[in-house]
Amino acid sequence: GAGVSQSPRYKVAKRGQDVALRCDPISGHVSLFWYQQALGQGPEFLTYFQNEAQLDKSGLPSDRFFAERPEGSVSTLKIQRTQQEDSAVYLCASSGGLGTEAFFGQGTRLTVV
Amino acid sequence: TQLLEQSPQFLSIQEGENLTVYCNSSSVFSSLQWYRQEPGEGPVLLVTVVTGGEVKKLKRLTFQFGDARKDSSLHITAAQPGDTGLYLCAALNAGNMLTFGGGTRLMVKP
Repeated sequence: GAGVSQSPRYKVAKRGQDVALRCDPISGHVSLFWYQQALGQGPEFLTYFQNEAQLDKSGLPSDRFFAERPEGSVSTLKIQRTQQEDSAVYLCASSGGLGTEAFFGQGTRLTVV
Repeated sequence: TQLLEQSPQFLSIQEGENLTVYCNSSSVFSSLQWYRQEPGEGPVLLVTVVTGGEVKKLKRLTFQFGDARKDSSLHITAAQPGDTGLYLCAALNAGNMLTFGGGTRLMVKP
């Protein structure tokens, strides 16, 4: 596709529910990033993939957060047993590699009620 | 304490006014980037500055990287309502990961 695509755009989850957020990066981009953006804040790094390898997951806030990119293309961010503090916009970005521009998707706005 | 401190956090001005927003840190960076984010969208890269003292212009926007490569500023001349948005500075680390500041939310009223 022309840009990074994320789905769903909006997700409302009941506390305790599991959610899965999808990211379709720009075709051919080897690097993929997930960021979390709380209301009124800048994005914060969650995790980074190079192809299918998860090279950095230091930003994942707890073991309830899990990300995968099994075939080096589409990535899924899964949050288990959601809590209210997980409410945020989850942004995905992809780039062609080190030193190249990162392009962001529109994000998924998660609201946990 | 955030690695990158942006100020002001909020700015509301009238169309035609000039403004400057700042991005400061105690750390030295090889480069800094500026992004603009509109509601419901992801951040979009505006510019990357890499050399201390560097000045880059993008139409009415002027970006400067501090001599010591610890800070940067964004100056907008004759602001337009279309400039409304969240302006973010970010540092790129060796692992290609971006660390963002908290952002400056700009509103330009017609």
